[in-house]
Amino acid sequence: AQKVTQAQTEISVVEKEDVTLDCVYETRDTTYYLFWYKQPPSGELVFLIRRNSFDEQNEISGRYSWNFQKSTSSFNFTITASQVVDSAVYFCALSYFGNEKLTFGTGTRLTIIP
Amino acid sequence: DTAVSQTPKYLVTQMGNDKSIKCEQNLGHDTMYWYKQDSKKFLKIMFSYNNKELIINETVPNRFSPKSPDKAHLNLHINSLELGDSAVYFCASSQDDGGVTDTQYFGPGTRLTVL
Repeated sequence: AQKVTQAQTEISVVEKEDVTLDCVYETRDTTYYLFWYKQPPSGELVFLIRRNSFDEQNEISGRYSWNFQKSTSSFNFTITASQVVDSAVYFCALSYFGNEKLTFGTGTRLTIIP
Repeated sequence: DTAVSQTPKYLVTQMGNDKSIKCEQNLGHDTMYWYKQDSKKFLKIMFSYNNKELIINETVPNRFSPKSPDKAHLNLHINSLELGDSAVYFCASSQDDGGVTDTQYFGPGTRLTVL
């Protein structure tokens, strides 16, 4: 069975602070895929990143960075110099080879205080 | 151009009615999905279709019937609506890559309210 845990239900930080959103996953599959999605207050789901289990390189995209560690089954997401527009619910998700179903975590609501 | 579109965006209806939500994608993807997001924001897959064929059916009540007239469309029909069906329904699509899970792109969601 697959499971994604986002232990942080809500986080609030002051603008320009850095913030890390945690994601811990469970799977018995050796080939799997991890995702982050953003859901802003307008409600749509915006794709941020996809990672496969064989690629443990960290990724940076502008102010966003992701740290994938198989040893701790974690795929954490850091926003550097946060902005008000980063306020949203962020979801981590998992799937495995041969099954495209996404198993989502419960989401972390991030509020950036101006 | 909208990649994955859904209509309507809002749907308010009485208990017991039958309603449909339409989804279209212009990405040329082979696989389409329906997800349900409940009031606590929890997202769960309902169905997946690949080239008009049902692939995933996650123990959804048979009052829910997906219909895929072609690979660019996946509609969701709901019979005898119940209060518990109130949720946001998301359609998504992805490329079929031989078992590799490609990125799923989501539509804007349809907020269904059953009174």
